[in-house]
Parts: sequence; structure tokens; C-alpha cells
Amino acid sequence: SQKIEQNSEALNIQEGKTATLTCNYTNYSPAYLQWYRQDPGRGPVFLLLIRENEKEKRKERLKVTFDTTLKQSLFHITASQPADSATYLCALDMSNYGGSQGNLIFGKGTKLSVKP
Amino acid sequence: DTGVSQNPRHKITKRGQNVTFRCDPISEHNRLYWYRQTLGQGPEFLTYFQNEAQLEKSRLLSDRFSAERPKGSFSTLEIQRTEQGDSAMYLCASSGSIPYEQYFGPGTRLTVT
Repeated sequence: SQKIEQNSEALNIQEGKTATLTCNYTNYSPAYLQWYRQDPGRGPVFLLLIRENEKEKRKERLKVTFDTTLKQSLFHITASQPADSATYLCALDMSNYGGSQGNLIFGKGTKLSVKP
Repeated sequence: DTGVSQNPRHKITKRGQNVTFRCDPISEHNRLYWYRQTLGQGPEFLTYFQNEAQLEKSRLLSDRFSAERPKGSFSTLEIQRTEQGDSAMYLCASSGSIPYEQYFGPGTRLTVT
């Protein structure tokens, strides 16, 4: 069965530094991978999507890389701010595995805390 | 507010009772998803609708769970004979012509006592 691991449950960094979160997966080759942000008591918010044929995607201070050989995605937040503190989830699409488009498997998430 | 809405936001029920949750997706979205999330875990896929057709159901969705989307607009998720293990946040999401970007609602937190 598909397994997704996000490198740590919690990551604490200083404001202004770059936060790097890791998502590893096994037993599957997804068509795309997504990153979401979730604040306490709220639903996830879509941030970025990267396809299997893309190596890197950027959006403002966010950057995602996707290495299908290593089966790993890295999520970077540059010039981090306390407002970036949240839980970040990676999600794999299951459509290459017989699932419908939009059938996502989520990791447990990494809780990022940015200290001023 | 033109986002995904869910009602109620919180529900406390006794074991054995039936509960029903409602999700109103973004109006132009034809795809609707239900997920369940427990503390410290990511959301788990439950079921997916395209318009009014329920196209996929997870094995997590036992016979006590049923979901409908009668007119391809709002959806309901019913849990019959609730158990304590059903306590979780139930999330609804919708997407449009780009199925990959899902917009989540705030969720319904269910507590079964």
C-alpha cells in the first residue's frame, strides 16, 4: 500500500530563515503531488501542485521540488515569517493507481513554528 | 463568502445516534469530496462525487456511512449508529475544471460520547 512520510512532526526555525520540509513516498508513482497549509481548527488550503514531469515550481516565497527517482518532494519557504507558522501537508494523487482524479492521500503533516 | 461551507461546525452526539452533515461547495464546482481527519493525522479520503454521481468510495466508508449529492450541488454525509471511533473532523472539498486544486471547507467536528 502507499506510504507517505513527512520528515518530522515539528520544525522550529528563526524568522528570516528558509524552512525546508520533506515528503517521501513509497510503492507508487503519482501523476502529481500537492502541498497544503492547515491552520488549527480549519480546513487545508491549497498552495502548490507539481507534476511528475516537473522538477521545480515556485510561487512567491514558496518553492517545491519533485524527484521521482528518490520519491521525494521538498517544500521550501524562504524569508520565513511568524505568519507562516502552520501545519503543512503533502498529498499524492491516486489516479495512476486506479483512483479518481482528486483522490488524494495525505501525509500526517509537519507543524512549522517560526519564531520572531 | 463564496467558499465551501459546512454545517454544523460542531456536533456532539451519543453513541448509537444518527448524524447528518451538510456541505455546500463553491457554486461552479462539479467535483465534491469528503475526507475524515483525526488529531495528528492528515485527511483521509472517504468519497468523491462528480455532479450527482458518486464515483468512488473508500474502504474506510463502512455501511454505516452514506453520502448523497442529489442535484449535483450540496452534499450530505450521514453516519448511522455512531461509534466513539467516528469522532473526527469531517472535511468537504470541491474542485472545478481543474480537478487537482481542491478547496476545503472549515469542517464539521464530530464528538461521539
